[in-house]
Amino acid sequence: GAGVSQTPSNKVTEKGKYVELRCDPISGHTALYWYRQSLGQGPEFLIYFQGTGAADDSGLPNDRFFAVRPEGSVSTLKIQRTERGDSAVYLCASSLTGGRGTEAFFGQGTRLTVV
Amino acid sequence: AQKITQTQPGMFVQEKEAVTLDCTYDTSDQSYGLFWYKQPSSGEMIFLIYQGSYDEQNATEGRYSLNFQKARKSANLVISASQLGDSAMYFCAMSVGTALIFGKGTTLSVSS
Repeated sequence: GAGVSQTPSNKVTEKGKYVELRCDPISGHTALYWYRQSLGQGPEFLIYFQGTGAADDSGLPNDRFFAVRPEGSVSTLKIQRTERGDSAVYLCASSLTGGRGTEAFFGQGTRLTVV
Repeated sequence: AQKITQTQPGMFVQEKEAVTLDCTYDTSDQSYGLFWYKQPSSGEMIFLIYQGSYDEQNATEGRYSLNFQKARKSANLVISASQLGDSAMYFCAMSVGTALIFGKGTTLSVSS
């Protein structure tokens, strides 16, 4: 497809379980971002990839959260030992170069519910 | 600290009227970018308009314009001739480094 694709669209998991959220960016986009959006809030930055490397992971809340982008395209956000407070919509975005004025294109998000 | 403030939780406007959504920002950087995104109930974030900190002209994109007042650190979005399809959440965002920092958003409701 032409846009950013995120799978699954919805994920329900039990507290303590491990989850993986996938993002397929727009082809050719070198920059990829993960955000978390809680109900009634704006998206909160988690991590930024430029190519295969995490250029900025300052937004990851703790060491239960990890993300990879091994081939510079698809990215996976991994959450270990999930907690109820991790419930949110996880948004992925990509942009052509990641420069300051570059428009970021967002996927429709994965709604994670931890029960 | 970098921060975006949107003080209007909700705004109501009638079809065909203009509406202004407020946004103020805080940064000590001289070079930054300001964005507005629309988020309908479907959840995706739709890019509307961008203003660079060194741009002297206010950005415009169709019915959207950004009222950029650098000294006041404000970047208000003006939507002219509102349409029912404009009903959504609107986020102001700022890029300083590598990431976008978002405000809490304003819910716009357009009635006929």
